[in-house]
Amino acid sequence: EAGVAQSPRYKIIEKRQSVAFWCNPISGHATLYWYQQILGQGPKLLIQFQNNGVVDDSQLPKDRFSAERLKGVDSTLKIQPAKLEDSAVYLCASSLVFVTGSYNEQFFGPGTRLTVL
Amino acid sequence: SQQGEEDPQALSIQEGENATMNCSYKTSINNLQWYRQNSGRGLVHLILIRSNEREKHSGRLRVTLDTSKKSSSLLITASRAADTASYFCATDAAGGSYIPTFGRGTSLIVHP
Repeated sequence: EAGVAQSPRYKIIEKRQSVAFWCNPISGHATLYWYQQILGQGPKLLIQFQNNGVVDDSQLPKDRFSAERLKGVDSTLKIQPAKLEDSAVYLCASSLVFVTGSYNEQFFGPGTRLTVL
Repeated sequence: SQQGEEDPQALSIQEGENATMNCSYKTSINNLQWYRQNSGRGLVHLILIRSNEREKHSGRLRVTLDTSKKSSSLLITASRAADTASYFCATDAAGGSYIPTFGRGTSLIVHP
């Protein structure tokens, strides 16, 4: 079974530029998550989709970050404009379903390492 | 915050030795999970222990949970160089959304 795919794996940009990351979840997984992992810290949830609807985006900095999941499959995360503090690894994860009140195992992609200069 | 805190931050051992990492958290939980992350394979789920469980095993991994002390430990027995990675505990708060909140991790180096 293919895992969660992400691209690009690495990206270097200058501050105030824009950048976009792409994620393809495991086939059949309804729920998709984007995490930000700053060096030396654990992953922090940015946004959660159930099919193509947003379940939780409370920690997404909406002034500069946006995400979409058209057709309930692939997803893109965009930063515009980027700041130095956005340097991090951006992880995408998916789970088969999201059942309220129940554990849903997440499968993570390899991540995109973003460096903002 | 529900974020777990791992201890130690870094651990260096020789191949064949056991490695023990600890995680403490602040509020009641539904589940506690341990993940491994290395540069080649990303974040991988190792084991989940529910709040009503005290111990779980998976291969060379042993996880304990003490809800009275709000702490968990991960023991890796007979470590191998391939176990070199960062290990994270992740908790989801009781009554919450079951989305895990990660700690800062323990960096484990196993010398061949």
